[in-house]
Amino acid sequence: GNSVTQMEGPVTLSEEAFLTINCTYTATGYPSLFWYVQYPGEGLQLLLKATKADDKGSNKGFEATYRKETTSFHLEKGSVQVSDSAVYFCALRRGNTDKLIFGTGTRLQVFP
Amino acid sequence: EPEVTQTPSHQVTQMGQEVILRCVPISNHLYFYWYRQILGQKVEFLVSFYNNEISEKSEIFDDQFSVERPDGSNFTLKIRSTKLEDSAMYFCASSAGLAGVLEEQFFGPGTRLTVL
Repeated sequence: GNSVTQMEGPVTLSEEAFLTINCTYTATGYPSLFWYVQYPGEGLQLLLKATKADDKGSNKGFEATYRKETTSFHLEKGSVQVSDSAVYFCALRRGNTDKLIFGTGTRLQVFP
Repeated sequence: EPEVTQTPSHQVTQMGQEVILRCVPISNHLYFYWYRQILGQKVEFLVSFYNNEISEKSEIFDDQFSVERPDGSNFTLKIRSTKLEDSAMYFCASSAGLAGVLEEQFFGPGTRLTVL
């Protein structure tokens, strides 16, 4: 079946450190891939997405590249800030369905 | 900026009781969704709703669950007879469409349901 696997958290970093949060997926066909972020007390917000192989999604300094050969969509940021502290969810959606399939989420904590 | 709102933020109920979770989607959106997250587990899709009917539902969404859009603004999830395992965070979402830039699902902050 279709599924998403994320690295377990929490990920704890100092400000300005490099961030990678790993995400791999299992899906038939060619799903769209997403990263959502949830700040404390808020709903999930779309951070970035990619809809086909080799696409790179980017937003607010975050990037992720759709790698079909490794079925991965790892989230990266070159220099994290305290304000990036949140829970990050990787998700996929197949074209013939409405639903998003999520990973378990990875909590990021950035300290000054 | 338009946002999805959910009430209440936290609901505590006794096992066997009915609960209704309420959501107000973004006003010009056409597709509505419910997801849930049991503590420590994945966010799971429950149901999607379009044009006043269910368009897709998961195995979790059995006869104990129902959804309704009773007026032009609210979207509700009813659990008829709650079980302990229904304790979870329930997220409502809405989207303008299913493709391209319209497919983004906007999520509410969630309702935490605790069944005792």
